[in-house]
Amino acid sequence: EAGVVQSPRYKIIEKKQPVAFWCNPISGHNTLYWYRQNLGQGPELLIRYENEEAVDDSQLPKDRFSAERLKGVDSTLKIQPAELGDSAVYLCASSPQGRSGNTIYFGEGSWLTVV
Amino acid sequence: GDSVTQMEGPVTLSEEAFLTINCTYTATGYPSLFWYVQYPGEGLQLLLKATKADDKGSNKGFEATYRKETTSFHLEKGSVQVSDSAVYFCAPRGGSQGNLIFGKGTKLSVKP
Repeated sequence: EAGVVQSPRYKIIEKKQPVAFWCNPISGHNTLYWYRQNLGQGPELLIRYENEEAVDDSQLPKDRFSAERLKGVDSTLKIQPAELGDSAVYLCASSPQGRSGNTIYFGEGSWLTVV
Repeated sequence: GDSVTQMEGPVTLSEEAFLTINCTYTATGYPSLFWYVQYPGEGLQLLLKATKADDKGSNKGFEATYRKETTSFHLEKGSVQVSDSAVYFCAPRGGSQGNLIFGKGTKLSVKP
């Protein structure tokens, strides 16, 4: 079974440019997460979807970040405009809906460098 | 809010040494507990988990026991290998739809 797929794996952009990341979760997983991981730190949640609905976006910097999950499957995370401090790894993850004991599966990440 | 504290790294061990990485947490309700591992340049992989008190999660020679009375979930391995070199994250997940809460992680380096 395919895991969580993310693209692109690596992206280098100049500051003030836009960038978008795409995620395809594991088939059948209703819950989708976007995390940001700064160098040497643990991942921090940006947004969580249950199907199409964003149920937790309290940590998403809404002035420059946006996300969507049309049709409750694939998701896109966008940054516009990018700032130097946005350099990080953006991790997408998915899990079955329901109990806290369900495992959350992560993709390989999209590595962003803003110069 | 929910939080997790792991021992500071980096941890450097010789091959076949015993490993312990301490983890304590604070969480509302009755969380499930997870250890994830991140190899260089990769995403996070589930290493093991436990969903109720006194449960022991195990995988690839690693073990951790859910200790509710001490709110701890320490990771152990009897004999580490060079291939175990990675960053390890302890993460509680609280509530019925809770999010994983990560600390800074512990970097392990195993020397031949």
